[in-house]
Amino acid sequence: DTGVSQNPRHKITKRGQNVTFRCDPISEHNRLYWYRQTLGQGPEFLTYFQNEAQLEKSRLLSDRFSAERPKGSFSTLEIQRTEQGDSAMYLCASTNYFGEQFFGPGTRLTVL
Amino acid sequence: GENVEQHPSTLSVQEGDSAVIKCTYSDSASNYFPWYKQELGKRPQLIIDIRSNVGEKKDQRIAVTLNKTAKHFSLHITETQPEDSAVYFCAASIPTSGTYKYIFGTGTRLKVLA
Repeated sequence: DTGVSQNPRHKITKRGQNVTFRCDPISEHNRLYWYRQTLGQGPEFLTYFQNEAQLEKSRLLSDRFSAERPKGSFSTLEIQRTEQGDSAMYLCASTNYFGEQFFGPGTRLTVL
Repeated sequence: GENVEQHPSTLSVQEGDSAVIKCTYSDSASNYFPWYKQELGKRPQLIIDIRSNVGEKKDQRIAVTLNKTAKHFSLHITETQPEDSAVYFCAASIPTSGTYKYIFGTGTRLKVLA
């Protein structure tokens, strides 16, 4: 499968715990994006990378959120001290040279 | 500001009829406008896109139009079929840091009634 992959697909955690998600983009894509999607809403931009450089982080993103893409390939999104309001689908997408964006299946986070 | 408004939020049509979904963007520097289809429990899938140097693009039963002056773009689905039922999202590119990010609309739930 040469599409975008994400792991885990589902994560249930207790409030206050830390969680980390992984995204593997399409191999030849150098831009990688993270989004959050809640029920009935469109994907909300969180942050993005060009190769290993993080270019922008949403103003809505608290300091509890951090993302890395250390070698310009896969990326991780970590949420520290999770809150119930963090419950959402976290989507990763990678973009080709033409700007066409392809999404992964997402990681559904439930914070109890 | 960075904003994409999408209307309507829900749309029901009879099978065989046409469906139109409209979006408005705020950043005049936006130059790429993709549309995504998301079925329940699945990832958004790119179905068609348009760039600012053209006014219309068509792919079989799906077409997208762009009015840069008014900052409007629309998705047109003709001869709708039950399998077209899904949530559709529009998006607009926003230039930033030498490249682009994408802002999405809030989605339109399309129901095609058999």
